[in-house]
Amino acid sequence: GDSVTQMEGPVTLSEEAFLTINCTYTATGYPSLFWYVQYPGEGLQLLLKATKADDKGSNKGFEATYRKETTSFHLEKGSVQVSDSAVYFCALTSGGYNKLIFGAGTRLAVHP
Amino acid sequence: EAGVAQSPRYKIIEKRQSVAFWCNPISGHATLYWYQQILGQGPKLLIQFQNNGVVDDSQLPKDRFSAERLKGVDSTLKIQPAKLEDSAVYLCAGQGPGGNNEQFFGPGTRLTVL
Repeated sequence: GDSVTQMEGPVTLSEEAFLTINCTYTATGYPSLFWYVQYPGEGLQLLLKATKADDKGSNKGFEATYRKETTSFHLEKGSVQVSDSAVYFCALTSGGYNKLIFGAGTRLAVHP
Repeated sequence: EAGVAQSPRYKIIEKRQSVAFWCNPISGHATLYWYQQILGQGPKLLIQFQNNGVVDDSQLPKDRFSAERLKGVDSTLKIQPAKLEDSAVYLCAGQGPGGNNEQFFGPGTRLTVL
């Protein structure tokens, strides 16, 4: 079945460092790809998405490009802030009813 | 606009007891999802409604879990009887009509089964 694999955390960075969180997927058909973020004590929020190959999703300085040839959707940010500390989930939609399949999540901790 | 409401936020019960969670999605969101998020894992879909009809409950443990959405608006998820392995956060999400496939999540209910 469809699945998402993302790098294990925690990822610990200093403020202003470059961030990459790897995400690869297995899917039949042409899924849409998502990054969701969960800040401490809050619910899941959509961070960015891409709906077809070579699309780039971007939001709040984060970017990810839908790479069909490598089945990847890596999350990047050029300069992280302490406020970016959260758990990040890569996900895809599967099947005709748009259910989301999530990776296990990657915890990011950014220190001043 | 108001977000997705869930209650209670926290619940502690003993195994073999029953528990119910409530969700009220954003107005107009015809599609409603219940996910289970076990500590250290990503959310996993339990059941999906389109209005008040079930479209996917393939991963719902039907011997103990049930869910309903009688009027196509709010929904209730029930566990009876609970097991230790049901300890998790239960997330409700809604999705609006049209081609935008974004799901909007509530804050979740954290269940601890002792």
